[in-house]
Amino acid sequence: GAVVSQHPSWVICKSGTSVKIECRSLDFQATTMFWYRQFPKQSLMLMATSNEGSKATYEQGVEKDKFLINHASLTLSTLTVTSAHPEDSSFYICSAPGGGLAGAGVYNEQFFGPGTRLTVL
Amino acid sequence: GENVEQHPSTLSVQEGDSAVIKCTYSDSASNYFPWYKQELGKGPQLIIDIRSNVGEKKDQRIAVTLNKTAKHFSLHITETQPEDSAVYFCAASIGGTYKYIFGTGTRLKVLA
Repeated sequence: GAVVSQHPSWVICKSGTSVKIECRSLDFQATTMFWYRQFPKQSLMLMATSNEGSKATYEQGVEKDKFLINHASLTLSTLTVTSAHPEDSSFYICSAPGGGLAGAGVYNEQFFGPGTRLTVL
Repeated sequence: GENVEQHPSTLSVQEGDSAVIKCTYSDSASNYFPWYKQELGKGPQLIIDIRSNVGEKKDQRIAVTLNKTAKHFSLHITETQPEDSAVYFCAASIGGTYKYIFGTGTRLKVLA
C-alpha cells in the first residue's frame, strides 16, 4: 500500500532555532500534501496544504512566515518551523492523498505519516 | 464553517462487548467519511471509510453506517479486544476535496 514517511520522528531544539521536518511519499507521487498539528489529547488540526510547484495555502490563523512549507518534488514536502518557541511544541503529522499520478489508493483517501514530535526548550 | 462533532470523548467497554462512536457533520457536500485509529505517539491509521453513496460498510469486526439525511455516521466495533484500545477519530471531507475536518476523538479503553 501507499506509504508516507516523516523525518525526524522526534526533535528537541532550543527556543529561537529553526527546525525542518520532511514528509515523503515512498511509493507514489503526491502533487498535494497536508500538514497537521496535534496537541496532547486533542484532534488533528489542518495547518496548510502543500502544493508541488506552487505556494502552499495556509489555514486561517496559521502564520505562513513561521511555518515555511516547500514542496520541492512530487514525493517530498518540508515544513520548517522558524524561530521556534515552547508553544510550538507539538506533534506534526503530514499526509498525502491517494489517486493522482500513481493511482495509489482511491479518490479522497489520505495516507498519513507517522508524525514528528517537536519539543522546544 | 464546517464542523464535525464526535461522541463520546471517552468510552470504556469490557472485552468482547461492542463499542459505538458517533459523529455528526455540517457540510452537506461532504462525500467521504474515514475513520482513523491512533495509538500513542503514532500517526493515524485508516481502519474503515464510507462514501456518501453507501449506507453501510463492514470489514470483519468493524462497521460504519452513514445517514446522509441526518448527517450522522457511526463506527461500530464488535467483539472488542484489548488491542482495540486507542483514540479513534472520525473525519469528513470538505466537499468533494481531499481536505478533511476531523472530529475531536474518542479514547476507547477495552478492559480485559
